[in-house]
Amino acid sequence: SAVISQKPSRDICQRGTSLTIQCQVDSQVTMMFWYRQQPGQSLTLIATANQGSEATYESGFVIDKFPISRPNLTFSTLTVSNMSPEDSSIYLCSVDRNYGYTFGSGTRLTVV
Amino acid sequence: GEDVEQSLFLSVREGDSSVINCTYTDSSSTYLYWYKQEPGAGLQLLTYIFSNMDMKQDQRLTVLLNKKDKHLSLRIADTQTGDSAIYFCAERGDYKLSFGAGTTVTVRA
Repeated sequence: SAVISQKPSRDICQRGTSLTIQCQVDSQVTMMFWYRQQPGQSLTLIATANQGSEATYESGFVIDKFPISRPNLTFSTLTVSNMSPEDSSIYLCSVDRNYGYTFGSGTRLTVV
Repeated sequence: GEDVEQSLFLSVREGDSSVINCTYTDSSSTYLYWYKQEPGAGLQLLTYIFSNMDMKQDQRLTVLLNKKDKHLSLRIADTQTGDSAIYFCAERGDYKLSFGAGTTVTVRA
């Protein structure tokens, strides 16, 4: 399965600031997925990132709050903008490889 | 839309079998997955089953799928302390996954 490097692994941020999370995959993939896992909750899909086109956002998530870049087939970034304490979560990227979805190790974000 | 439900907690004695259950609603699901999340860690894909299969066995793991009832289960034989974690059931519809809330498995000595 694919190897995904995600960083930062954790961060503590001030409200009103933005944080950009990076994901690097060890091979080319068509789609990359960004998930949010709120404390004690399951995973919710934020958006799907395709190279060369705008990301597709799920209901409840908007581009102004979670802008995504996908400059090539091995890399993507998710920005959490104008953060508030409610954005404190684990953010994970994922790719679909060989019948299974592989996840990055996650970014644990705390907004104070 | 997709909806995946699973029991929230399971306590099992070391050496016994664990059974985690999951129900889903999307009849067009192609694959169903079980993921494991240990404290402070990311998600690890444990196993998956294609929707036209009834059962899949992989070492200590057995997955049973009842497509008619949209019921999926994961059995862990000879449960060990290292199996303590949150287990997520997920279904694949089109290209994306929908997750259950996760079952916290606690293994007691």
